[in-house]
Amino acid sequence: AQTVTQSQPEMSVQEAETVTLSCTYDTSENNYYLFWYKQPPSRQMILVIRQEAYKQQNATENRFSVNFQKAAKSFSLKISDSQLGDTAMYFCAFMTPGVTDKLIFGTGTRLQVFP
Amino acid sequence: EAEVAQSPRYKITEKSQAVAFWCDPISGHATLYWYRQILGQGPELLVQFQDESVVDDSQLPKDRFSAERLKGVDSTLKIQPAELGDSAMYLCASSKEVGSVGEKLFFGSGTQLSVL
Repeated sequence: AQTVTQSQPEMSVQEAETVTLSCTYDTSENNYYLFWYKQPPSRQMILVIRQEAYKQQNATENRFSVNFQKAAKSFSLKISDSQLGDTAMYFCAFMTPGVTDKLIFGTGTRLQVFP
Repeated sequence: EAEVAQSPRYKITEKSQAVAFWCDPISGHATLYWYRQILGQGPELLVQFQDESVVDDSQLPKDRFSAERLKGVDSTLKIQPAELGDSAMYLCASSKEVGSVGEKLFFGSGTQLSVL
């Protein structure tokens, strides 16, 4: 079975600082995709960043970057220059392309950014 | 910007009653998903449609849950009868087609269900 584990239920960071959220996953597949989603209090899931497993280069989107370690099955999210608007739940998700593209989510990390 | 519409935003019902949730995906999106998010957990897929056909409903409790997308556009998720354990947020999402690999997966704001 494919699983996604987020071991940090809650994290906090001061505005302008850097924070890293952890995620590990388990799969026997070789072709897959990993995602980080943000869920603010408005509840709408927003895609933050995605990584294709076949790409060695870590994905980057502005202040958000990932550290993808395929052998270790680790996929952490680094948020640089944290902003108050980054306060939200962050979910790591996994997907194997095929007949369906079902996302398998972790349990989430609640991030609080303090002024 | 186009959005996935869901209604109602909140629903309170009593145990054994019937409830229904509605989702209108982004225009032109062929694939529609219903996810359930229990408090403290990540969303879990209940059912996936490609146009009007069900692609995956392996996690849908079929004895009490039903979902339809008759014309391949909007969709309704029904629970009858509701149980206490059904209290959760029900998220709808859409994408242009299977194989868009989540990049263009758009979520609605969800329906928060409380069963008393």
